[in-house]
Amino acid sequence: DGGITQSPKYLFRKEGQNVTLSCEQNLNHDAMYWYRQDPGQGLRLIYYSQIVNDFQKGDIAEGYSVSREKKESFPLTVTSAQKNPTAFYLCASRLDRTNEKLFFGSGTQLSVL
Amino acid sequence: SQQGEEDPQALSIQEGENATMNCSYKTSINNLQWYRQNSGRGLVHLILIRSNEREKHSGRLRVTLDTSKKSSSLLITASRAADTASYFCATVVTGGGNKLTFGTGTQLKVEL
Repeated sequence: DGGITQSPKYLFRKEGQNVTLSCEQNLNHDAMYWYRQDPGQGLRLIYYSQIVNDFQKGDIAEGYSVSREKKESFPLTVTSAQKNPTAFYLCASRLDRTNEKLFFGSGTQLSVL
Repeated sequence: SQQGEEDPQALSIQEGENATMNCSYKTSINNLQWYRQNSGRGLVHLILIRSNEREKHSGRLRVTLDTSKKSSSLLITASRAADTASYFCATVVTGGGNKLTFGTGTQLKVEL
């Protein structure tokens, strides 16, 4: 999927637990994004980062946190404050501000035990 | 909130037929993109059309954009079983800080 690796493919979370989803890209892209996809709904933006050490909240950031310490990595932590975390999570990247096309990873399915 | 809404939500056609999906959006845009998603996979970019363009082609794909009606359509000609997937429109809103906002998708099934 275009040089973006998401892991794990499946993840299970217990009540009160924080879990971290990994997203790594080797495309040398500046911007990275996290989306959440629920069945029958489109993608909703959680967080995005346009440069290293900077990120912005998307439309549904509550209960999530991110970091962007390296250009190639943009991990997403689903905290215990996110009461309905079961969803398919997609990471994407974009070359720079002048290139609008997104490249997606293959996704992580998160479920609550 | 969803910027784009696709119509229909689901579409079933026979191989060889054309498939048309529509997307409506709410606010002024810089460009509109179409993506494809196979079940349980990531999205793949298909085509981008800018706000000053009215029609664009790529292989069997034809996209139109009507900014006065805030709508776009994706036509897949001579469909194949391998075209079975969900199709999403996505918009970059003017002044929206380079965020891409996705619609709810059209699920296309192409039967042999």
